[in-house]
Amino acid sequence: GAVVSQHPSWVICKSGTSVKIECRSLDFQATTMFWYRQFPKQSLMLMATSNEGSKATYEQGVEKDKFLINHASLTLSTLTVTSAHPEDSSFYICSALLRETQYFGPGTRLLVL
Amino acid sequence: GENVEQHPSTLSVQEGDSAVIKCTYSDSASNYFPWYKQELGKGPQLIIDIRSNVGEKKDQRIAVTLNKTAKHFSLHITETQPEDSAVYFCAAKYTNAGKSTFGDGTTLTVKP
Repeated sequence: GAVVSQHPSWVICKSGTSVKIECRSLDFQATTMFWYRQFPKQSLMLMATSNEGSKATYEQGVEKDKFLINHASLTLSTLTVTSAHPEDSSFYICSALLRETQYFGPGTRLLVL
Repeated sequence: GENVEQHPSTLSVQEGDSAVIKCTYSDSASNYFPWYKQELGKGPQLIIDIRSNVGEKKDQRIAVTLNKTAKHFSLHITETQPEDSAVYFCAAKYTNAGKSTFGDGTTLTVKP
C-alpha cells in the first residue's frame, strides 16, 4: 500500500515552454502533498506544501508564479514549471502524506534545453 | 523550527559488515522518526520508522534506535549487501505537523 506515482518520469523541453508534472496517490487519499527538488548528490529541497482545495504554501525563495501548484483532488497534485529555463533542469519529487508518514513518488527528471 | 543533522555524509563498508548512520534533532516535541532509502534515479522509499514511545525497532537486517534524552536516533544495517548501496535519509517531525525535516543524507557504498 501507500503508492505514489508521478508522470512523466522524464521530460525534455525547450527554453520558454511550460511543463506540467502530475503526482497521484494511487491507493489512498492525501489531503497534503509536497513537492521537492533535488540536485545531483544533494539533499531534498522542499519547494512547497499543497493542500487539497486551498493555495499551496511555498518555501522561502521559491517563486510561486514560476512553480504553479494545484491540488484539485485528494489523489492528484500538479506542479507546472512556467517559462522553463535551463537552470530549472532538475529532479522533481512529490510526496503524499498518509497519517504521519510521507510517501514519495519515483521522481521526474526535467531537462530544459 | 526543527533541525536535523545526519552523519556521516558518506560511508563505505565491506559486504557482510554492519553500517551505522546517526542523526540528531533539535525539537524535543518531535515524536516520529522515519528513515528513507533512495536508489540512484528513484524517489526515496520508507524503510523503517520509529515513534518516541519506543527505544528500538527491528525489521530483519535493519534496526533503528532512539534516545529521546539525547535527541538522537540511529539506523543500523547488519550483514550489508551490495544492494544496500544507496543514499539514506533520516527525518523527524511532530505527529500533527505536516512536513518532516530531513537530514542531508548518507551515501552508503557496500563493496563486494
